[in-house]
Amino acid sequence: DAGVIQSPRHEVTEMGQEVTLRCKPISGHNSLFWYRQTMMRGLELLIYFNNNVPIDDSGMPEDRFSAKMPNASFSTLKIQPSEPRDSAVYFCASSRTTGGVGSPLHFGNGTRLTVT
Amino acid sequence: KQEVTQIPAALSVPEGENLVLNCSFTDSAIYNLQWFRQDPGKGLTSLLLIQSSQREQTSGRLNASLDKSSGRSTLYIAASQPGDSATYLCAVLYSSASKIIFGSGTRLSIRP
Repeated sequence: DAGVIQSPRHEVTEMGQEVTLRCKPISGHNSLFWYRQTMMRGLELLIYFNNNVPIDDSGMPEDRFSAKMPNASFSTLKIQPSEPRDSAVYFCASSRTTGGVGSPLHFGNGTRLTVT
Repeated sequence: KQEVTQIPAALSVPEGENLVLNCSFTDSAIYNLQWFRQDPGKGLTSLLLIQSSQREQTSGRLNASLDKSSGRSTLYIAASQPGDSATYLCAVLYSSASKIIFGSGTRLSIRP
């Protein structure tokens, strides 16, 4: 099993540009989570999907952020336009959830985003 | 408000010691609790998952316990090694929220 795969590993962009982060969950996992990690705020849940459907997006900071999961093997997190305060490490994680009981959560290696 | 707290934020011990990391949560209605390890610049690695119906889980030198009534979990590391140095996070899947809430982590340093 290749684990959760995220791309790119690093992204440096200028303020105002569009940024797209990508995630491939572990095959067979039906829940997918996007987290953001900063020194100040720790790990914050942005949005999670169950069976490709967004369940809770209350953590998405504002309308500049959007996430999609067109199929069970792919998800994107888009920031448009990006701002310097969006600089953080963005993690994708997946698990197998049945009836609310989850298997261990598996994380990707993250995308380090720097907005100048 | 459903929260997860880890104290202390940082801990330094000499190699070979046994140690305990603490995690507390505010609501006993949970599905499970999970302990993770994070190395600098890396993602999180799952160490142990304790379901709501379980009291403890063991993996090698690691033992995690769960006491829902008091809202506490501990991660016990036996015979610590320098390679155990990392940040350890606990995460709780609350029944009502159906989302996983993380603590802020304990940064562990094992001195050779």
